[in-house]
Amino acid sequence: QSVLTQPPSVSGAPGQRVTISCTGSSSNIGAGYDVHWYQQRPGTAPKLLIYGNNDRPSGVPDRFSGSKSGASASLAITGLQAEDEADYYCQSYDNSLTGSGVFGGGTKLTVL
Amino acid sequence: QVQLVQSGAEVKKPGASVKISCKASGNTLTRFAIHWMRQAPGESLEWMGWINTGNGLTAYSHRFTGRVTITRDASANTFYMSLNTLRSDDTAIYYCARDSASYLFDLWGQGTLVTVSS
Repeated sequence: QSVLTQPPSVSGAPGQRVTISCTGSSSNIGAGYDVHWYQQRPGTAPKLLIYGNNDRPSGVPDRFSGSKSGASASLAITGLQAEDEADYYCQSYDNSLTGSGVFGGGTKLTVL
Repeated sequence: QVQLVQSGAEVKKPGASVKISCKASGNTLTRFAIHWMRQAPGESLEWMGWINTGNGLTAYSHRFTGRVTITRDASANTFYMSLNTLRSDDTAIYYCARDSASYLFDLWGQGTLVTVSS
């Protein structure tokens, strides 16, 4: 059971907009810690997609954007493309117990 | 351009130990931390622990306390994750990742598959 909650799957047609939610609690996102998002294509390592809630690393298209409010965060993808089909994970820091990195359960994006 | 290159796949029997390496090529990582995560088949990512590349200090997830050890060979710019008393549910791909800003994983190794089977 992941600490952060994501929908297992989302889908959209090419060109559409989709959003993926990430819900945490008062010991992680709600405590003010940043949320980061990773994209993972099959058979490859995760790749940083959004950091610090809403910033994009160099090379990530501006079709990808992030937001955060309270104990939740969202990833939005506009102008959906076939190459966006992948698993997406949110991640933050949790200050309970020994303190740790925590991930969402992952969301499988299917481009119809 | 820094890359993290991990050691190859391992097959272990239950009760055994495994030690995986993560070598940083390119610039040194003295200003960063290296974290280890794992991903069981079809599952999400799970954080295991980290090491300060400068002073060698470590911290571990309570889920692995007593079973995991993260070490470094500073001269070789190589980091290691050891997991002992392996069980079948430790079968997973293990990743090292660079932490560039407090639990922000901006660079990942390619992953190492560890299979635990009798």
